[in-house]
Amino acid sequence: KAGVTQTPRYLIKTRGQQVTLSCSPISGHRSVSWYQQTPGQGLQFLFEYFSETQRNKGNFPGRFSGRQFSNSRSEMNVSTLELGDSALYLCASSLMKGVSYEQYFGPGTRLTVT
Amino acid sequence: SQQGEEDPQALSIQEGENATMNCSYKTSINNLQWYRQNSGRGLVHLILIRSNEREKHSGRLRVTLDTSKKSSSLLITASRAADTASYFCATDVVSNFGNEKLTFGTGTRLTIIP
Repeated sequence: KAGVTQTPRYLIKTRGQQVTLSCSPISGHRSVSWYQQTPGQGLQFLFEYFSETQRNKGNFPGRFSGRQFSNSRSEMNVSTLELGDSALYLCASSLMKGVSYEQYFGPGTRLTVT
Repeated sequence: SQQGEEDPQALSIQEGENATMNCSYKTSINNLQWYRQNSGRGLVHLILIRSNEREKHSGRLRVTLDTSKKSSSLLITASRAADTASYFCATDVVSNFGNEKLTFGTGTRLTIIP
C-alpha cells in the first residue's frame, strides 16, 4: 500500500501571500489530520477531517483552513502568511474517526515564509 | 503549554545499551502513543497503549503507563545506530465540548554512538 503523500515537499512564499498544501491519505483511510511543527512550539495539532467534515480542531487562527474531498484527499490553506508560519506541515491519515488511533504520517511540506 | 513533557530532552548512549525516556502529561487520556521522527521527516508510529493498560511490548520496545502519576515511559532495549531519532509521546485530549486534539510532547533526542 502506498503511504501518505504530501505535495509540494518544499515551498517558499512571501509574507502576505497565501498557500495551499495537499495531502493524499493511505487508500481506505478516511481521517486526515494536519499538524504544524516548529522548533519553538513543537508539534501542534491543526485539525482533523473525516468524511469531508472537520471533526476536531486545534488552537490556530482562522487564517488556517482546510477541506477534504470525497476521495479523502485533503488540502490545507494558509492565508495572509506571516513569518511565524514557517514550519514543517505534516499530514497524517487514520482508518478511524478521531485522533485516538494510530496515525500514519506523510513526509511533510516545509514552508518558508520570507 | 504542551500537554506532554518528555525527559530527558536529549540522550546519548552506546550501541547495545538500553534507552529509557519518560513522558508526563496533564489531563485524563484515552490512549497514549509513541512516535519516532528521523531528522525533520514524517513521524512513524511505534506503539499505542490504552488508559486501562499498564504495560505493552513490541519487539525491542516496552512502554509503561501510570495513569495515577500521568506518566509513561518508553524503553528501547539493545539499541542500534538506526534508533537515532527524536521520540515523541502523544496523548488525546478531549475538551468539554467533545473536541479532540492529539497533543505531542516536547520530544527526546536519542543518539546512539556506534
